[in-house]
Amino acid sequence: DIQMTQSPSSLSASVGDRVTITCRASQRINNYLNWYEQKPGKAPNLLIYTASRLQSGVPSRFSGSGSGTDFTLTISGLQPEDFTTYYCQQSYSAPQTFGQGTKLEIK
Amino acid sequence: QGQLVQSGAEVKKPGAAVKVSCKASGFTFTRYHMHWVRQAPGQSLEWLGIINPSGDSTNYAQKFQGRVTVTRDTSTSTVYMELSNLRSEDTAVYYCTREVNAAVAGANNWFDPWGQGTLVTVSS
Repeated sequence: DIQMTQSPSSLSASVGDRVTITCRASQRINNYLNWYEQKPGKAPNLLIYTASRLQSGVPSRFSGSGSGTDFTLTISGLQPEDFTTYYCQQSYSAPQTFGQGTKLEIK
Repeated sequence: QGQLVQSGAEVKKPGAAVKVSCKASGFTFTRYHMHWVRQAPGQSLEWLGIINPSGDSTNYAQKFQGRVTVTRDTSTSTVYMELSNLRSEDTAVYYCTREVNAAVAGANNWFDPWGQGTLVTVSS
């Protein structure tokens, strides 16, 4: 199975800050990488697909980049509703696997 | 856009089985692969299995082989996940989700939307 490692596991920031979350795959996955946010008690919600494509309805402050094994999710100008948990997921090969999550907390 | 509505929470004893349903609406159900993903308390997301649009092909995570069965009923636009021989470690929220892709062979796919989740608690 492909292992997905996110860093950091948790991150403190302030409203208005710019933050970057990293996801590394244990082998090359081209750009078959997706990002989700998950608010407490809710299902995951798609933010970014195919490494850099913004899902319809997602604010433009979210962006993704990367290819191969290293990927990033960047949030520019944090809003109060952004303080939640983020997961990366690879769909390059079965079983599809997720990172361990990054919890974004208010400083 | 589509919506997935799952059945309610379940409490089961070790060794029992659970069957969770997921009813789709707002999209053409028979065009999409459907997946099941679970999340144990405080943990990340774990993929369980997939069923193809016609329901005649499934694939499961090695970890759950022999214990999980995914089926679908096209007449009611519902997909089901049954997990047998339950153990305490199976306590989790179980999600159904639709696979979306770029309609190009070999292209990336992603999960959207997701059901609201079904909490399955395994306890004696």
